[in-house]
Amino acid sequence: SQQGEEDPQALSIQEGENATMNCSYKTSINNLQWYRQNSGRGLVHLILIRSNEREKHSGRLRVTLDTSKKSSSLLITASRAADTASYFCATDAPDTDKLIFGTGTRLQVFP
Amino acid sequence: DAGVIQSPRHEVTEMGQEVTLRCKPISGHNSLFWYRQTMMRGLELLIYFNNNVPIDDSGMPEDRFSAKMPNASFSTLKIQPSEPRDSAVYFCASSLSRGNTEAFFGQGTRLTVV
Repeated sequence: SQQGEEDPQALSIQEGENATMNCSYKTSINNLQWYRQNSGRGLVHLILIRSNEREKHSGRLRVTLDTSKKSSSLLITASRAADTASYFCATDAPDTDKLIFGTGTRLQVFP
Repeated sequence: DAGVIQSPRHEVTEMGQEVTLRCKPISGHNSLFWYRQTMMRGLELLIYFNNNVPIDDSGMPEDRFSAKMPNASFSTLKIQPSEPRDSAVYFCASSLSRGNTEAFFGQGTRLTVV
């Protein structure tokens, strides 16, 4: 069964706008990761945030983690048409190797 | 390194036939994952290996599915006999250590069972 649920399922914005995607999960985690998938391709790792971290930045990406609410958000600032893709959160629980993915958010950025 | 390499990229087979998907993980990685992706069910973890040993195969849908990792540089996922509902994209991924680093994905095998 999937650990994470992403919200919204789909998001359409104009270039230059910010895109925010949310992820909720069910059990305690070791860390949470975000991945991107372009159509017809494999997933590519974007950023990892550990359970003892609350916020992390990488370029135009900002990730927050709230372990009390079992939720995370991914913010993409100043979006570009090339950011069009599906975005997934993934979690691994303590004492397990399992990397479980959420349902994904399909982001469409219009030029 | 060339990344995670999967073969074939596309496979079309008839119902009842045996299908074997192959994966070469990144050298030095000790965790390997097999996932299946469909529109209806999303990205499902089928099985993962650590140091060539299957650790959790609870995601394998049924006995028709089997996976092996005979050595650190090769893994197979076999479906026998295949059914139309097995049609999906199958991904292999590898990572350096237990759950604390990113997973690197192959390009996937698109399987169509007719």
